[in-house]
Amino acid sequence: GENVEQHPSTLSVQEGDSAVIKCTYSDSASNYFPWYKQELGKRPQLIIDIRSNVGEKKDQRIAVTLNKTAKHFSLHITETQPEDSAVYFCAASRRGNEKLTFGTGTRLTIIP
Amino acid sequence: SQTIHQWPATLVQPVGSPLSLECTVEGTSNPNLYWYRQAAGRGLQLLFYSVGIGQISSEVPQNLSASRPQDRQFILSSKKLLLSDSGFYLCAWKPGQPETQYFGPGTRLLVL
Repeated sequence: GENVEQHPSTLSVQEGDSAVIKCTYSDSASNYFPWYKQELGKRPQLIIDIRSNVGEKKDQRIAVTLNKTAKHFSLHITETQPEDSAVYFCAASRRGNEKLTFGTGTRLTIIP
Repeated sequence: SQTIHQWPATLVQPVGSPLSLECTVEGTSNPNLYWYRQAAGRGLQLLFYSVGIGQISSEVPQNLSASRPQDRQFILSSKKLLLSDSGFYLCAWKPGQPETQYFGPGTRLLVL
């Protein structure tokens, strides 16, 4: 089955700097890669996703890049703000598979 | 628009007592439904998922069970709770396509 590894497990960034979280996956047939943000005590919420026919996707300060050859994808947050502090989860799935395989999460702390 | 509800929001139960958590989805039909558990400070563990009424797939053998008596209702149960059952229980739903899962607000369970 699919295996998703996520690094780093914790990340501290000065406010205004950029943050990058990386994930690798094992199943070359995976074609859908969402990122979720989970604030303390809240549910995970989808913040951005990418499909394998696209190499990069941006939404304001958030971007995701995908390298299918190397089987890794990354979340980039620019101009970080205190409200970006949360746990971020990556995930992967492939068409026909009803499940998402999640990474283990990255706790991002923005230092004012 | 679609909404997902979970109740109760919080629950404190003694070891050995039964459990019933409920999840309902509004505004869609024939969704995939999922139960996840999240231990404190940890990742998302998939417990069960269902692609239709009466169809349950179990991911982790344990003292929990799930049922789907109606199209938009998913129930998580236990006959006898263990201390290790404490955690944050999240229900999620997914339309047939695309692959995105959306999480409910969660139930925080403390077993004493």
